[in-house]
Amino acid sequence: KNEVEQSPQNLTAQEGEFITINCSYSVGISALHWLQQHPGGGIVSLFMLSSGKKKHGRLIATINIQEKHSSLHITASHPRDSAVYICAVRGGSNQFYFGTGTSLTVIP
Amino acid sequence: KAGVTQTPRYLIKTRGQQVTLSCSPISGHRSVSWYQQTPGQGLQFLFEYFSETQRNKGNFPGRFSGRQFSNSRSEMNVSTLELGDSALYLCASSFEVNTEAFFGQGTRLTVV
Repeated sequence: KNEVEQSPQNLTAQEGEFITINCSYSVGISALHWLQQHPGGGIVSLFMLSSGKKKHGRLIATINIQEKHSSLHITASHPRDSAVYICAVRGGSNQFYFGTGTSLTVIP
Repeated sequence: KAGVTQTPRYLIKTRGQQVTLSCSPISGHRSVSWYQQTPGQGLQFLFEYFSETQRNKGNFPGRFSGRQFSNSRSEMNVSTLELGDSALYLCASSFEVNTEAFFGQGTRLTVV
């Protein structure tokens, strides 16, 4: 069993739709990261969370420590949001664990 | 402010050879971590350095090693390359351990 599970694996949306990507983890964590990876490999760190909620532009990330669950929301999705979104956690032993990623395609 | 720089961007090596990859962190950042990304295994943590000391190590064989210099630049070395080592190797830097990380573009290693 993976320490970090993401859903869905693949997601296709129409431009303008509200998108939610979920991440569940099974280890104690000190922080959770949401990463964005575009074709070609470059990774951008979107959020680092240890509690509550963060917002950056059209992106919102929430975390529920008790339920060991985080969500990444994209409001008013745009084709440029098409990318792979990866959930990563830093475990109590300082090890990093990664989800397998959610491939998002936003169609104009 | 320059971002995280990884060199080289692309590399082709033969089985059995060794390779050294370099990562220059953002100026002022003291923590550097390394990751391997393959289609089959996804992203996996290799190791993390802070102020020239290895803080954490992932579950990789001893052929994978790294170090960090006094200027925070880091190198990772893979000896006796295997076909399965073909991957995108990413490094990330942060000001301190467990602060926001900034990723480099990666080094794509192909072992033939």
